[in-house]
Amino acid sequence: DAGVTQSPTHLIKTRGQQVTLRCSPKSGHDTVSWYQQALGQGPQFIFQYYEEEERQRGNFPDRFSGHQFPNYSSELNVNALLLGDSALYLCASSKGLAGGSYNEQFFGPGTRLTVL
Amino acid sequence: DAKTTQPNSMESNEEEPVHLPCNHSTISGTDYIHWYRQLPSQGPEYVIHGLTSNVNNRMASLAIAEDRKSSTLILHRATLRDAAVYYCIRVTGANSKLTFGKGITLSVRP
Repeated sequence: DAGVTQSPTHLIKTRGQQVTLRCSPKSGHDTVSWYQQALGQGPQFIFQYYEEEERQRGNFPDRFSGHQFPNYSSELNVNALLLGDSALYLCASSKGLAGGSYNEQFFGPGTRLTVL
Repeated sequence: DAKTTQPNSMESNEEEPVHLPCNHSTISGTDYIHWYRQLPSQGPEYVIHGLTSNVNNRMASLAIAEDRKSSTLILHRATLRDAAVYYCIRVTGANSKLTFGKGITLSVRP
């Protein structure tokens, strides 16, 4: 059983460009959350998708958007990249909208984004 | 606002027990306590969670104070592989968002 997978592993972009990161949840999971982790910090919640809708959102600008597909996989899009967007982007999956309260979230290995 | 407080770091010796404390004095009655850990160059990994009573699993034990204002993650025999950043997280009701703080960095000496 494959766990959470993310692609690509690493990515280098320049300021002003746009990027799309992808995530496939663990088998049987239907909820996907995205986190941003700057160097030396804990992960920060970006948003969560369930039933193809954004259900919760953290304190991130509209440049950050996402999508969830019928097969529960998800994309994170970031427009107009800034140097400060350089970080590890983590995807986590869980079962059910409230799954994280009672059940664990499974994290992928992350995508390392570098903005030059 | 992570709403939990942890020491910055802790050291332990291999094969000895480790007690990682967490303070969550403003916890509400429906908040769960979750622990995750993050090994170097990996995504966070679930360790354990609980609500009121103590919990055990194959990785660790979680001791929750009777007033629920603090908890302790217990690794019964630390190994070098347990060296990681450990995050204590309050998860509120049906809100499954994880709010990470800086965590506690555990170092394990051979």
